[in-house]
Amino acid sequence: QVQLLQSGAEVKNPGASVKVSCKASGYTFAGYYIHWVRQAPGQGLEWMGWINPNNGATNYIQKFQGRVTMTRDTSISTVYMELSSLRSDDTAVYYCARDPSAFGGVKGYFDYCGQGALVTVSS
Amino acid sequence: SYELTQPPSVSVSPGQTATITCSGDALTKQYAYWYQQKPGQAPVLVIYRDSERPSGIPDRFSGSSSGTTVSLTISGVQAQDEADYYCQSRDSSGNFVVFGGGTKLTVL
Repeated sequence: QVQLLQSGAEVKNPGASVKVSCKASGYTFAGYYIHWVRQAPGQGLEWMGWINPNNGATNYIQKFQGRVTMTRDTSISTVYMELSSLRSDDTAVYYCARDPSAFGGVKGYFDYCGQGALVTVSS
Repeated sequence: SYELTQPPSVSVSPGQTATITCSGDALTKQYAYWYQQKPGQAPVLVIYRDSERPSGIPDRFSGSSSGTTVSLTISGVQAQDEADYYCQSRDSSGNFVVFGGGTKLTVL
């Protein structure tokens, strides 16, 4: 069965960076785009961007341009989302989510989500 | 930036029908998707491509589209349907994903 297993909770100081991992299993890793979505406490869902695990191509929303980097390691079926220059308003649960692209183009929605990783930014 | 607009809350009694709307200009060109999110859990897809239901989602969940507005309808609402519901689509270029602000469904 499809599973996306994310790394654990992190506490970071303002100005630091965080790297969240998302290990995929149960399907062919290279065939499906992965999106990253975050949710601040008590707030709604916010899309950050996607990565194509096949070739590493990325697409980030402008808000995060220059601060976010999405990468992948195909040898271990894992994608990463690194966010730098952290601020208190980056405190959120970060989700990875699979796009049902099935070796085609990005479909732009999510059929499976990881369990989420809480990132807390506090001094 | 492109926005999708949802009502903040909807309340319904058990067994009744709940309808949650979502409006946005690009919905005439892009499909809409709906997610259910219960407290402390990840979102779950309940409707895709405006009105398709993923396997495992009860048939009391349905979706429809009319112009710039899409709707999620839950027939015969049950207590377990109490959750936040988010609509999602793409901007008119198709390059970026957008979420609505979410609607809290309360089962009275």
